[in-house]
Amino acid sequence: AQSVTQLGSHVSVSEGALVLLRCNYSSSVPPYLFWYVQYPNQGLQLLLKYTSAATLVKGINGFEAEFKKSETSFHLTKPSAHMSDAAEYFCAVTRGGSNYKLTFGKGTLLTVNP
Amino acid sequence: NAGVMQNPRHLVRRRGQEARLRCSPMKGHSHVYWYRQLPEEGLKFMVYLQKENIIDESGMPKERFSAEFPKEGPSILRIQQVVRGDSAAYFCASSPKDSNQPQHFGDGTRLSIL
Repeated sequence: AQSVTQLGSHVSVSEGALVLLRCNYSSSVPPYLFWYVQYPNQGLQLLLKYTSAATLVKGINGFEAEFKKSETSFHLTKPSAHMSDAAEYFCAVTRGGSNYKLTFGKGTLLTVNP
Repeated sequence: NAGVMQNPRHLVRRRGQEARLRCSPMKGHSHVYWYRQLPEEGLKFMVYLQKENIIDESGMPKERFSAEFPKEGPSILRIQQVVRGDSAAYFCASSPKDSNQPQHFGDGTRLSIL
C-alpha cells in the first residue's frame, strides 16, 4: 500500500522568495510520484512526475522536485515565487508501472504575499 | 477545449434524491477515473473504468454508489438516496490506452446535499 504525507497544510512566502513544499511517501514497491496544482474551483493540473528515471524532475512553471529514496521524500521547489503560484498543491503516489489509483496527500495551500 | 469535461459543475440535491454526475474524457482517452474530495482532504480514488468495463472499484462505497462508462456517451457516477455526507467535489480524470500516461483532470462537480 502507498501513502503520502504533506508537511504543512499552509505555506506562506513572499513574492520572489524560495518555495519549498514537503512531501514524504510510503510505498512497499518502487513508486511513481506526482505533484499536482489546483486553482480555486478547478481540477488538478499536473506539474511534474517521477517515474524512476532522473531523480531531479523539472516541471512546468519553473517548479522542480527531487526524488530521495533514502529520505522517502519528493519535495517541490521553485527558486522565486510569483503571485500566480498561489494555489493548493497535492503530492500523489502510485505503484511503479502503473499510474492509476493515485493516492493523494491532503494538500498544501500556498499563499504568496506581495 | 479538448479537456476532460464534467457536468454539471454544481449540483444541489435534497436528502434521498439521486445524483448523476457526467464525465466526457479527453479525445482519444479510453480510461476514466473518479475521485472524491472531501473538505480539507486530498482526493480519494473511487473507481477506474474502461469502455464497458469496471477495472477497479475498490474505492467505491458498497451501497448507493455506481459508475459506468458505456460504449457510447460519457461516464456516469450515480449516487442513489443521497445523504449529507455525500457532499463533496467529485473529480473525473482520463488517460490514454497506455495507463502509464498521466491522468488529466476535469474541473469537478461540486455536490451539495440539503
